[in-house]
Amino acid sequence: GIQVEQSPPDLILQEGANSTLRCNFSDSVNNLQWFHQNPWGQLINLFYIPSGTKQNGRLSATTVATERYSLLYISSSQTTDSGVYFCAVEPESGGSNYKLTFGKGTLLTVNP
Amino acid sequence: DAGVTQSPTHLIKTRGQHVTLRCSPISGHKSVSWYQQVLGQGPQFIFQYYEKEERGRGNFPDRFSARQFPNYSSELNVNALLLGDSALYLCASSLVPRHFEDEQYFGPGTRLTVT
Repeated sequence: GIQVEQSPPDLILQEGANSTLRCNFSDSVNNLQWFHQNPWGQLINLFYIPSGTKQNGRLSATTVATERYSLLYISSSQTTDSGVYFCAVEPESGGSNYKLTFGKGTLLTVNP
Repeated sequence: DAGVTQSPTHLIKTRGQHVTLRCSPISGHKSVSWYQQVLGQGPQFIFQYYEKEERGRGNFPDRFSARQFPNYSSELNVNALLLGDSALYLCASSLVPRHFEDEQYFGPGTRLTVT
């Protein structure tokens, strides 16, 4: 099946710093989503971005489908940005299996 | 509008017992998927249902089963519980799978502990 690798696995920042999270995937995809998982386990949708660039406030994301990677940018980080960030993809070649395959996540800690 | 809802929030069961988890999708969404997330890992796909039919199954034993009702809500059933089934069970809904409107939205999860 498709492989999803996220880097870095852990990231510690001071409040106000910027960061870039990366997601590499091994096959062409129909769907790519970025999520933020809060301490209570809720997965919060950040971006639905199988290709192109999107921005939402301090967050932006870019997916280069032809090169099989996606980047999530966090600017002027805040302590509330802390948590685990997941990239999840649905491969084009999935047949009738419409599933998201998740990476292992990046644990972001933002210190005051 | 209400998001994806799941019940119960927490559950403690004993090995060998059976459990039923419930999920209601976002209004208008016809596809429901179930995922299992163990501590320290990303969610793993268990099932997807669309229009009351199973459309996908992950690599889970037959002790796991699910169904979708006419109102698009869904149940996940797990028989003969093992300690390793302890996890956060997440439900996701989307409008239509494999379509431009297939962004998935997740519920808050059910945290299952098997003792």
